Amino acid sequence: EDQVTQSPEALRLQEGESSSLNCSYTVSGLRGLFWYRQDPGKGPEFLFTLYSAGEEKEKERLKATLTKKESFLHITAPKPEDSATYLCAVQAASGGSYIPTFGRGTSLIVHP
Amino acid sequence: GAGVSQSPSNKVTEKGKDVELRCDPISGHTALYWYRQSLGQGLEFLIYFQGNSAPDKSGLPSDRFSAERTGGSVSTLTIQRTQQEDSAVYLCASSLVKSGGEGYTFGSGTRLTVV
Repeated sequence: EDQVTQSPEALRLQEGESSSLNCSYTVSGLRGLFWYRQDPGKGPEFLFTLYSAGEEKEKERLKATLTKKESFLHITAPKPEDSATYLCAVQAASGGSYIPTFGRGTSLIVHP
Repeated sequence: GAGVSQSPSNKVTEKGKDVELRCDPISGHTALYWYRQSLGQGLEFLIYFQGNSAPDKSGLPSDRFSAERTGGSVSTLTIQRTQQEDSAVYLCASSLVKSGGEGYTFGSGTRLTVV
């Protein structure tokens, strides 16, 4: 069974204080790992897809990295508008199922 | 429309009543998913539609839950004889290809409250 564990559950940062969110996963062959951002009252918004260990992707203050066991979402010099819940999901390569398994998310609050 | 549309955005129903939740995916997207998100919980997979293939219903929690997708487009999730534990946000997502490619597009969800 595919499993995704995100840590920490909640993170409070001061504006400009860089940090990282972790997504540990167990999957029978990784097809893709997804990062999403979710604002209160809204559906998740796609950020990145990573496919293989060593891959990195960046978007503004966010950088996602991937190893064979975990992914990190690095946030550099965060701003209050980066406050949201960040979700990680994995998609297995084995079988015909394309159903992503999601973690519980990390709730990030950035204080001005 | 440009995004995935879900209706209603909020639904309050009495225990034992049936409810229907609607999802209008992005035009041309072949894959459609329903997830449920409870307070403090992750997204729980419910059902997956891919083109004209038989849906993957493996995530439906009980036989009170059913879903259909008409004409490969609009999908309806039906919950019969609602219970208080059905209270949650129901999210729909679609993608152009079944692998999700560069991500799935989610709707804003339907917040269901069973009283």
